[in-house]
Amino acid sequence: EDKVVQSPLSLVVHEGDTVTLNCSYEVTNFRSLLWYKQEKKAPTFLFMLTSSGIEKKSGRLSSILDKKELFSILNITATQTGDSAIYLCAVGTETSGSRLTFGEGTQLTVNP
Amino acid sequence: EAQVTQNPRYLITVTGKKLTVTCSQNMNHEYMSWYRQDPGLGLRQIYYSMNVEVTDKGDVPEGYKVSRKEKRNFPLILESPSPNQTSLYFCASSPRGWTGDNTQYFGPGTRLTVL
Repeated sequence: EDKVVQSPLSLVVHEGDTVTLNCSYEVTNFRSLLWYKQEKKAPTFLFMLTSSGIEKKSGRLSSILDKKELFSILNITATQTGDSAIYLCAVGTETSGSRLTFGEGTQLTVNP
Repeated sequence: EAQVTQNPRYLITVTGKKLTVTCSQNMNHEYMSWYRQDPGLGLRQIYYSMNVEVTDKGDVPEGYKVSRKEKRNFPLILESPSPNQTSLYFCASSPRGWTGDNTQYFGPGTRLTVL
């Protein structure tokens, strides 16, 4: 059974801090790993990673994948209160059609 | 505006009363999917559809039905809702299933309470 585990489950920081969110996976025939941000509404897409070692970056957010060690990290630098959200990691495989397996999510709270 | 819409946004019902949650997308996407989100369990896939008339079970399909008669619509049907189906439901769509960039676009969510 495909498995995606995120850590920590919850994190509280102060504005300006840098945070690292973790996502590890155990799947057969890995294809891609996706990160989503969920505020008080629907998840919005952040990154899709398919290759090891290639960093994807968008403003203060960046992410990288390690296919050998089966994990990804999402970094957020100089956090702002608007970064407060649930961050979801999802993995898709070559053999499961269009299915995505999601982790439990990391609840990030950024205090002023 | 490109979007995924769901209706209703909020629904309170009673055990056993059939209900349908509609989902529609205006982006001509091939792939559509339903998820439920519960505290501590993340997003779990209920059903998905690769294209018209092609549907398949996700991780938690029991108690749900879907249909894909048109490309834009993917309704979720609960024939006999039970309290354990109380959850937040999301519909999502993607241009293609698993070829290339398959970013999924989510609807606004439907909060369902079954008493």
